Amino acid sequence: KAGVTQTPRYLIKTRGQQVTLSCSPISGHRSVSWYQQTPGQGLQFLFEYFSETQRNKGNFPGRFSGRQFSNSRSEMNVSTLELGDSALYLCASSLGQGANQPQHFGDGTRLSIL
Amino acid sequence: SQQGEEDPQALSIQEGENATMNCSYKTSINNLQWYRQNSGRGLVHLILIRSNEREKHSGRLRVTLDTSKKSSSLLITASRAADTASYFCATAVLISSGSARQLTFGSGTQLTVLP
Repeated sequence: KAGVTQTPRYLIKTRGQQVTLSCSPISGHRSVSWYQQTPGQGLQFLFEYFSETQRNKGNFPGRFSGRQFSNSRSEMNVSTLELGDSALYLCASSLGQGANQPQHFGDGTRLSIL
Repeated sequence: SQQGEEDPQALSIQEGENATMNCSYKTSINNLQWYRQNSGRGLVHLILIRSNEREKHSGRLRVTLDTSKKSSSLLITASRAADTASYFCATAVLISSGSARQLTFGSGTQLTVLP
């Protein structure tokens, strides 16, 4: 079975731009969660999508948004990029909703803001 | 603030030795999970232990959970150079339905195994 695939692996943007990151979950997994990882704040939960609906949201500003398609693939969008958005963005998929089962992570998208 | 905090922040051992990492958390949990992250890669799930379990094993890994002390430990026996990575505990905070909404990760322990 193919693992979680995130594209692109690396991205460089400038302040004020917007960016869209993509995540393809493991086949059959219906939940996709997104996390931001930085040296200062560690791993922080952004949001979870299940059956095309956002089920849970972390403490991030509205500039961070996402969506999930009928095939469970998910995209995350960040608008009006700030220097502090530089991070490794990880997505994770699981069979069911919530945190009752293991999460399977992709290798992330490294976003650098200049 | 982080729900789970790992201790120590960094650990350096010789190949063949055992490595123990600890995790403390603050609120009631549905389950606690341990993950490994190699540099520049995503996280790999190691073990999930539920709140009604006290110990779980997987190969060279042993996880214990003490809900009265709100703490967990991960033991890696007979460590190898390939075990060099960051190890994170993640807690699934219990909500009123008995389920758990999301994982909250600790800051991690950087383990270095010297050949």
